[in-house]
Amino acid sequence: DIQMTQSPSTLSASVGDRVTITCRASQSISTWLAWYQQKPGKAPNLLIYKASLLETGVPSRFSGSGSGTEFTLTINSLQADDFATYYCQQYNSYSWTFGQGTKVEIK
Amino acid sequence: EVQLVESGGGLVKPGGSLRLSCAASGFTFSSYTLNWVRQAPGKGLEWVSSISDTSTYIYYADSVKGRFIISRDNAKNSLFLQMNNLRVEDTAVYYCARVDILGAYWGQGTLVTVSS
Repeated sequence: DIQMTQSPSTLSASVGDRVTITCRASQSISTWLAWYQQKPGKAPNLLIYKASLLETGVPSRFSGSGSGTEFTLTINSLQADDFATYYCQQYNSYSWTFGQGTKVEIK
Repeated sequence: EVQLVESGGGLVKPGGSLRLSCAASGFTFSSYTLNWVRQAPGKGLEWVSSISDTSTYIYYADSVKGRFIISRDNAKNSLFLQMNNLRVEDTAVYYCARVDILGAYWGQGTLVTVSS
């Protein structure tokens, strides 16, 4: 199975900060990677798919990059609504795997 | 608009069974692979099972293999998960999801609680 290592597990930041979350795959997944935001009690909300494609309706301060085994999610100018948990997901193989999650907290 | 709506969750005793359903709309159901993903309380996301468009290819996570059965009814635009011999550690919100070249679509989830 493909393992996804996401870091950091927790991130403390302030409104207006630029934050970066990293996901590393144990083998190449090309660009078959998605990023989600999840708030308590809610389903994951798609932000980025195919590593860098912004989902319709998602603010442009979110961006994704990478290919192969290294991927990043960047949030430019963090807003109050962005404090949440973020997950990466690989869908290169029939058995999906997810990163452990990054909780973005208010500093 | 793509919609996935899960149902069938509830409270069940260890060793019991439950059947989850996912009603789909807004896309050509019979053309896509679908999946079940779960999330235990306070934990991360775990892929459970996938089924191809014509049910030819079916896969399970090791944690549910031999206990869960995924199926679909393309005539009724419905996905199912038959869960047998349930364990306390199967307690989670179960989501049906479609993730492919066009993007990712998830339902709102249904809660399964396994407890005596």
